[in-house]
Amino acid sequence: SYELTQPPSVSVSPGQTASISCSGDNLGQKYVSWYQQRPGQSPFLVIYEDVKRPSGIPERFSGSNSGNTATLSISGTHPMDEADYYCQAWDSSTVVFGGGTKLTVL
Amino acid sequence: QVQLVESGGGLVKPGGSLRLSCAASGFSVSDYYMTWIRQAPGKGLEWVSHISRSGDRIFYADSVKGRFIISRDNAKNSLFLQMNSLRAGDTAFYYCARDRDPTSSAREYEFWGQGTLVTVSP
Repeated sequence: SYELTQPPSVSVSPGQTASISCSGDNLGQKYVSWYQQRPGQSPFLVIYEDVKRPSGIPERFSGSNSGNTATLSISGTHPMDEADYYCQAWDSSTVVFGGGTKLTVL
Repeated sequence: QVQLVESGGGLVKPGGSLRLSCAASGFSVSDYYMTWIRQAPGKGLEWVSHISRSGDRIFYADSVKGRFIISRDNAKNSLFLQMNSLRAGDTAFYYCARDRDPTSSAREYEFWGQGTLVTVSP
């Protein structure tokens, strides 16, 4: 079955750029979405179709996807960006999530 | 506006059954792929099942295949998940989610419910 791999944790200083990777076989051939989940809350979509932002998501959030790796970048990170982030793709009619990355802003 | 409200979670013994419901408002469930996603406490997200707009394409994760059944009632504008032969590993928050775009071939979840907790324990 298809798998997506994320680093368990990423740390960034406020105002700097955070990059979270997501790797999978030929991932660049699939659309990748990214979700943010704060403690005690439901996830919500921050990037879809690799690079697009839903309405209301700040331009600070951006995505890329090529080869075997997709990346979520958050520029000018705020303390409120501290959360778990999940990548997601779908393969052969089933959906796969990455294991999640805890972003710490310190 | 779009709203998804799950219900039906609770404590059940191993081998037991539960039926989860997801009441939708602000759109018609028959117009979108609808999906169940779960999250064990402190763990990551796991896709469980989805049903197509027409209802003729239904898929399950291997971990629940043969035990869970997804269904939809268009008149009640609701999504359901019948869970049978429950195991401790099924303990999780269960979320229903709606696709972002009804015409897209990609599964992208723009709307999520608040989740309902299922605990499988003796």
